[in-house]
Amino acid sequence: QQQVKQSPQSLIVQKGGISIINCAYENTAFDYFPWYQQFPGKGPALLIAIRPDVSEKKEGRFTISFNKSAKQFSLHIMDSQPGDSATYFCAASDSNSGYALNFGKGTSLLVTP
Amino acid sequence: ETGVTQTPRHLVMGMTNKKSLKCEQHLGHNAMYWYKQSAKKPLELMFVYNFKEQTENNSVPSRFSPECPNSSHLFLHLHTLQPEDSALYLCASSFRDIPTYEQYFGPGTRLTVT
Repeated sequence: QQQVKQSPQSLIVQKGGISIINCAYENTAFDYFPWYQQFPGKGPALLIAIRPDVSEKKEGRFTISFNKSAKQFSLHIMDSQPGDSATYFCAASDSNSGYALNFGKGTSLLVTP
Repeated sequence: ETGVTQTPRHLVMGMTNKKSLKCEQHLGHNAMYWYKQSAKKPLELMFVYNFKEQTENNSVPSRFSPECPNSSHLFLHLHTLQPEDSALYLCASSFRDIPTYEQYFGPGTRLTVT
């Protein structure tokens, strides 16, 4: 049973546009929601993360929006650049179950010039 | 060397072979992980080692055997694999006792089972 559902599977955005990736979860015990970015030939790298006590977190062009009541969170990439082209994974974990990250299936983002 | 390194980067093996994947972390972390990444699937956690002690084994077949001799090194021993085991195998590490859960990943080993 997949604990974190991610959409869309792939996304094409023009340079300068906004990329939006959505994730939904069921387990209300989840208390940590990171986003990872993966380039071809590389392992995933932490991009930005949020805890449920805030509704939004912004780091540069990257923003996480969190809706606790809807059990959804999303990644917004403002002013998308070709260098942002990568696969993005959302994840969630529950401190009571240790440190296991439950990943979404990933979104392949292509930013066209 | 910095971060998390994995060797080999690519491996082709027959179903009757025995091989090992190696992971080394240079971050002073005390937890290490093996993940399997297959196309169109979420990253699957295979094993977790906390202070060299295995704490999780997510129903992984016995043809995968992990070994963690110290907090910096992690191995995945492979034997009599199946073609469906072909995937990218990722190693990660983190601090166990810091509640940020940030895991640092290595570049992975691309495994092909023929």
